[in-house]
Amino acid sequence: AQTVTQSQPEMSVQEAETVTLSCTYDTSENNYYLFWYKQPPSRQMILVIRQEAYKQQNATENRFSVNFQKAAKSFSLKISDSQLGDTAMYFCAFRIETSYDKVIFGPGTSLSVIP
Amino acid sequence: EAGVAQSPRYKIIEKRQSVAFWCNPISGHATLYWYQQILGQGPKLLIQFQNNGVVDDSQLPKDRFSAERLKGVDSTLKIQPAKLEDSAVYLCASSRDRVGNTIYFGEGSWLTVV
Repeated sequence: AQTVTQSQPEMSVQEAETVTLSCTYDTSENNYYLFWYKQPPSRQMILVIRQEAYKQQNATENRFSVNFQKAAKSFSLKISDSQLGDTAMYFCAFRIETSYDKVIFGPGTSLSVIP
Repeated sequence: EAGVAQSPRYKIIEKRQSVAFWCNPISGHATLYWYQQILGQGPKLLIQFQNNGVVDDSQLPKDRFSAERLKGVDSTLKIQPAKLEDSAVYLCASSRDRVGNTIYFGEGSWLTVV
């Protein structure tokens, strides 16, 4: 079965500090893409960062970076210099190509940035 | 580039009534998704279209939910009759026709069934 697990339902971090959100996944496929999506209270889901499974180099986007461990099937998100606007739900997801492209989302982690 | 458009944003109906949600994906996006998101949970895929055709509707409660995608562009999701447990946000999303491409989401349609 293809699943995504986010073991931290809720997390909090002080403004300007660093926080890491964990994600593990399970798939027998070798080619896939991994994503972190952010969903602020306004509800629109937006892409934070993506990683191709065939690339060993970890993706970075400004204050956001990932630690991708393919063998361990782990894909954590690090947010540096946390800002109040980072308060949101964060969803880990992966996308594989079967007979069609299939996307699996995790249950989410609620992150609160404390002033 | 215009984003994924959804309407209505909010809807309150009584149980056993019907409701319809509309989605206009980003121009040129072949794949369209409808997700159901219950408060505090991750999105659950209801149905996925590739152009006009359905490629996955395994989690769609077909006795009450239906969806169509006209001419491979706009889509409508209908619930009839609604149940209390259908209260959720219905997210429409779209992507280009390749596995690596990002999925773009609309703002969602909030449904409350009373």
